[in-house]
Amino acid sequence: KAGVTQTPRYLIKTRGQQVTLSCSPISGHRSVSWYQQTPGQGLQFLFEYFSETQRNKGNFPGRFSGRQFSNSRSEMNVSTLELGDSALYLCASSTGSTGELFFGEGSRLTVL
Amino acid sequence: GENVEQHPSTLSVQEGDSAVIKCTYSDSASNYFPWYKQELGKRPQLIIDIRSNVGEKKDQRIAVTLNKTAKHFSLHITETQPEDSAVYFCAARFSGNTGKLIFGQGTTLQVKP
Repeated sequence: KAGVTQTPRYLIKTRGQQVTLSCSPISGHRSVSWYQQTPGQGLQFLFEYFSETQRNKGNFPGRFSGRQFSNSRSEMNVSTLELGDSALYLCASSTGSTGELFFGEGSRLTVL
Repeated sequence: GENVEQHPSTLSVQEGDSAVIKCTYSDSASNYFPWYKQELGKRPQLIIDIRSNVGEKKDQRIAVTLNKTAKHFSLHITETQPEDSAVYFCAARFSGNTGKLIFGQGTTLQVKP
């Protein structure tokens, strides 16, 4: 079974730009969650989508948004990038009922 | 609010010794407590988890204990090996069957040969 796939793996943007990250969950998994990982703040929950609906949202500004498609693939978007948005963005999928999350390799975003 | 505290932030042990990492959580309704291992440049990987109706769980050299009354849980690694060196994160799920986990700040474990 293929694991969680995230694209792109690395990207560099400048302040003010926007970025879209993609996540393909494990086949059969309907829940996709996004996390931001930084050295100072650790792993912080951004949001979760389940069956195309946002089920949970963390404490991030409205510049961070996401969506999920009917095939469970998910995207997250960050608009008006700031230097502090530089981080590893991790996507995790689960069946939505067992609780075990499977993480992707992440998308490392650098904002210059 | 929802919070998980993890200690210590760094831990250095000799190969063969045991390592213990402790976490406390704020919400008594939490029902699921996973531990993740993250090697440098790699994804977090689940190594063991425990649910609120269980007090202890073991998997070879790894064990997790849960004290619901005190709202803390611990990871125990016995007979440590250099390949155990990594960052370990505890987490808690605060509400229902969702993908929202609150993570501790992580513990960098170094196992010296």
